[in-house]
Amino acid sequence: EADIYQTPRYLVIGTGKKITLECSQTMGHDKMYWYQQDPGMELHLIHYSYGVNSTEKGDLSSESTVSRIRTEHFPLTLESARPSHTSQYLCASSGQGNYEQYFGPGTRLTVT
Amino acid sequence: GNSVTQMEGPVTLSEEAFLTINCTYTATGYPSLFWYVQYPGEGLQLLLKATKADDKGSNKGFEATYRKETTSFHLEKGSVQVSDSAVYFCALLNQAGTALIFGKGTTLSVSS
Repeated sequence: EADIYQTPRYLVIGTGKKITLECSQTMGHDKMYWYQQDPGMELHLIHYSYGVNSTEKGDLSSESTVSRIRTEHFPLTLESARPSHTSQYLCASSGQGNYEQYFGPGTRLTVT
Repeated sequence: GNSVTQMEGPVTLSEEAFLTINCTYTATGYPSLFWYVQYPGEGLQLLLKATKADDKGSNKGFEATYRKETTSFHLEKGSVQVSDSAVYFCALLNQAGTALIFGKGTTLSVSS
């Protein structure tokens, strides 16, 4: 069973607020990822990290930012939330040389 | 570029029916291929994988064979259960190994 956690699970927030979505894993994985899942269920990579102090943008442009100060932690921040940011955000991780990605339960964000 | 095409859902079946969910891909070389499953309100779970041509991945009664000739990785199960109701995603790992490219997902609904 994968040990990857996301908080909060659900968040409803007003436009203009700053939010941080938390993601932590206890597997010691080097690689971590953030995906955005739209209402039609399609998933798109928005950020990834190979390790501490490494962050890269994914295939889908996003106004969010990420940081990787500790191996186990990969938070995603939106400085000013907008209704267009309403989506489900999934965090994942994978180990060195292991292509299997383990997913957290997701955060469902609604911006009103 | 890389892409994954899945049959559109929803797929509605009776319990014990045979399941096929088609998946084809476009990619450079021979990428690793995956099927993930997402149960309601949860993150994605790896269902099965195949890393080279002619490999057969299997798990929980599901199977998929990596066919390079037809660039396909169709998911099959001989007898579905109500508990199999979920969204199924076909995915490939990009050549750089940095990200999974997902299909749009296929919703399966099994009734008793």
